[in-house]
Amino acid sequence: QVQLQESGPGLVQPSETLSLTCTVSGGSISSHYWDWIRQPPGKGLEWIGYVHYSGSTNYNPSLKSRVTISLDTSKTQFSLRLSSVTAADTALYYCARGGDYGMPIDYWGQGTLVTVSS
Amino acid sequence: QSVLTQPPSVSGAPGQRVTISCTGSSSNIGADYNVHWYQQLPGTAPKLLIYGNNNRPSGVPDRFSGSKSGTSASLAITGLQAEDEADYYCQSFDNSLSGSRVFGGGTKLTVL
Repeated sequence: QVQLQESGPGLVQPSETLSLTCTVSGGSISSHYWDWIRQPPGKGLEWIGYVHYSGSTNYNPSLKSRVTISLDTSKTQFSLRLSSVTAADTALYYCARGGDYGMPIDYWGQGTLVTVSS
Repeated sequence: QSVLTQPPSVSGAPGQRVTISCTGSSSNIGADYNVHWYQQLPGTAPKLLIYGNNNRPSGVPDRFSGSKSGTSASLAITGLQAEDEADYYCQSFDNSLSGSRVFGGGTKLTVL
């Protein structure tokens, strides 16, 4: 059974960079697509982007200029960096496993709350 | 504003049937990309409920079913139960702007 666990700071200063890591266990990271999705408090899901095991990436156009997602196969981890954050970036951040464009997101982490505040 | 449009809320009494719609466009559902549905129980992460328009993962009751036609998709829940009270999200792929996964805004199901 694949399991994903997010980790990182729960509080980030405005204008700083949000950094999160997702550790994958119970399955190989050397396949599939590895996604980040966020959910502002009381709101819906927003796809942030994904990294493929080959290293290729795809990002939400609305966040593309601020997002970097990378993969560390040796550590079975992948990471999210979101720069120049504002209060609007406060959300529950989920890491997840997806597939190619027609495939679903089949495994989700439990989520980690990141608050942007001074 | 979400790329896929869902009603904010639906409700039904135990035992009844409810449907949740998901309306897209020619660059996503209408381009014949698969639609997937997720159930998010209060305080938990989303869970895959329906994949590939109308397929249930192992363990999902057959009370849940999905369909797709044209630029829209629907999730149907029959024999409504109290534990079905949750938020439901549709998701597909959009081929505009270099392509991306897209979600609906979510629908809150209340079991009366």
